[in-house]
Amino acid sequence: QVHLVQSGAEVRKPGASVKVSCKASADTFSNYLIHWVRQAPGQGLEWMGVFNPGAASTSYPHSFQGRVTMTRDTSANIVYMELRSLRSEDTAIYYCAVTLTTLTTNFDFWGQGTLVTVSS
Amino acid sequence: EIVLTQSPDFQSVTPKEKITVTCRASQDIGTSLHWYQQKPDQSPKLLIRYASQSFSGVPSRFRGSGSGTEFTLTINSLEAEDAATYYCHQSSSFPVTFGQGSRLEIK
Repeated sequence: QVHLVQSGAEVRKPGASVKVSCKASADTFSNYLIHWVRQAPGQGLEWMGVFNPGAASTSYPHSFQGRVTMTRDTSANIVYMELRSLRSEDTAIYYCAVTLTTLTTNFDFWGQGTLVTVSS
Repeated sequence: EIVLTQSPDFQSVTPKEKITVTCRASQDIGTSLHWYQQKPDQSPKLLIRYASQSFSGVPSRFRGSGSGTEFTLTINSLEAEDAATYYCHQSSSFPVTFGQGSRLEIK
């Protein structure tokens, strides 16, 4: 089992950026994929993209391209998700989730979530 | 983008009943369909992967089936702790997508 621990809640003004972290419990996450999924209040789940720590590669859906960046701190087993040009519609809980192998595509475990509130 | 449509959106049932949740895909996704359970104020948890494979530690009353465009999550002998929203998720095609969710209330 892999535990994912995310950073705490954030409040930002429209137009600002936010950077959320996700720390994995595993000794190494080189074989994992880290996804980011968000959930607006009372709404469903929306995939924001995936980061491959082993290859330092990313894949983002068109809806977030140009506005999201996923990076890593390998020594600390931490992956970051930065979202820019925030608007009120970005108010949501942001989750990281792990796919434990590059051969499967389900999300095995999820972080506890980070609430990001965008308000003037 | 593949659209997943779940039904019903909501159901209210009594303990020990059996329920089904259906997830329909807008195109053939093989068996690249996964189910998650999300209880209020909690993160989603994986229940079933690849349509019918139970995830480790998931009670045997949760069963998944289907392929192609139609999938079913069945929960036998419901317990109070099964009150949650259930989501399907396809990973066959980029971008991955989720169904809108099916909320289950236990009376």
